[in-house]
Amino acid sequence: DSGVTQTPKHLITATGQRVTLRCSPRSGDLSVYWYQQSLDQGLQFLIQYYNGEERAKGNILERFSAQQFPDLHSELNLSSLELGDSALYFCASSRGGLAVSYEQYFGPGTRLTVT
Amino acid sequence: SQQGEEDPQALSIQEGENATMNCSYKTSINNLQWYRQNSGRGLVHLILIRSNEREKHSGRLRVTLDTSKKSSSLLITASRAADTASYFCATDAWETSGSRLTFGEGTQLTVNP
Repeated sequence: DSGVTQTPKHLITATGQRVTLRCSPRSGDLSVYWYQQSLDQGLQFLIQYYNGEERAKGNILERFSAQQFPDLHSELNLSSLELGDSALYFCASSRGGLAVSYEQYFGPGTRLTVT
Repeated sequence: SQQGEEDPQALSIQEGENATMNCSYKTSINNLQWYRQNSGRGLVHLILIRSNEREKHSGRLRVTLDTSKKSSSLLITASRAADTASYFCATDAWETSGSRLTFGEGTQLTVNP
């Protein structure tokens, strides 16, 4: 158990819909990262937040957005869903993430299926 | 696109044998990390090696880093059936304001009992 929790574990929804994925980082970790894992794209970095502020951005679609709240939990919002958005979405946390990088601890993931 | 390329894509060995996986990358890095993923589950951090380090050990794991060749290797000694998993290298080329991990495509390791 990494200490990172993600909800829900599974999500099935229709094209065009909007969903919210939730992540609670390990106690004391200030950085939260979101990744997408799919068969054709592999593991892709989406976005990083550090203590509530966006710090790094990867291949995140404009239809996707994220935020980190004062209690450090984070949410990833996916809207206007397409079939190709079906994937495993992972959240990770680390104690740093600015000048010095540390190992990241991954949650169990949310499996999103868009039908 | 993936920063790292891993070799081999799949590896099948017998219990007790050593397993070696290689990773190559393209740009300058701050550090390189190795992760393990059991089928459909979350990634587990194995080891982090910084760009100024050449070799690191953790239990049965040995990681080397050659920044001149932009390559790394992960050696698992005396493998066990429980080591069966996908192994990913990830490079961290931290930015001025944050950091990100760029993952390779992974090596699927099967350890036969």
